[in-house]
Amino acid sequence: DGGITQSPKYLFRKEGQNVTLSCEQNLNHDAMYWYRQDPGQGLRLIYYSQIVNDFQKGDIAEGYSVSREKKESFPLTVTSAQKNPTAFYLCASAGTRGSEAFFGQGTRLTVV
Amino acid sequence: AQKVTQAQTEISVVEKEDVTLDCVYETRDTTYYLFWYKQPPSGELVFLIRRNSFDEQNEISGRYSWNFQKSTSSFNFTITASQVVDSAVYFCALQGARGDTGRRALTFGSGTRLQVQP
Repeated sequence: DGGITQSPKYLFRKEGQNVTLSCEQNLNHDAMYWYRQDPGQGLRLIYYSQIVNDFQKGDIAEGYSVSREKKESFPLTVTSAQKNPTAFYLCASAGTRGSEAFFGQGTRLTVV
Repeated sequence: AQKVTQAQTEISVVEKEDVTLDCVYETRDTTYYLFWYKQPPSGELVFLIRRNSFDEQNEISGRYSWNFQKSTSSFNFTITASQVVDSAVYFCALQGARGDTGRRALTFGSGTRLQVQP
């Protein structure tokens, strides 16, 4: 089935640790996005990529890093520089401008 | 800059009531796209509808209908005869169409939590 797969569903991070969230799509979409959702709030853009080997910072990129080595994959690393990483992270992909974005099921990250 | 405002944080209705979720947007683009997404408790966002700025026709899909008014920069969503399964968080989103590739990403409102009581 075509879609976006995020893993893991739940992730626990210790203070000072880097963790990587996986996002894979088989929709042949060029554009991929990472959003962060905090309780009771909307989605805020962390990073986006319009094409392989290119990505741009979104509104809240500090403390995060990404790579786009393959069209299908857009992993997000939450670094120790992110002071408040506990949140729900959503990955999305989209085709042409104006087409709807497809979302993964999300990863809930908790700092312990 | 783009902005989407969903002033209703939470709405509670009794099953079979009609309910309207408000969405007001701001953009300098003359061409843009508006979306509604549903987020059930599982967390995944489900696409409901897309509208481009040149199409102001209202749309109806089953119990769902959307009212797009450019004059008031609003894109409201109405559920007729609500059901318990409609309980979710609903997000309105905006995508610009100008050259800045960054704004191809969706700008979301803060969402409206709808609780439909049996």
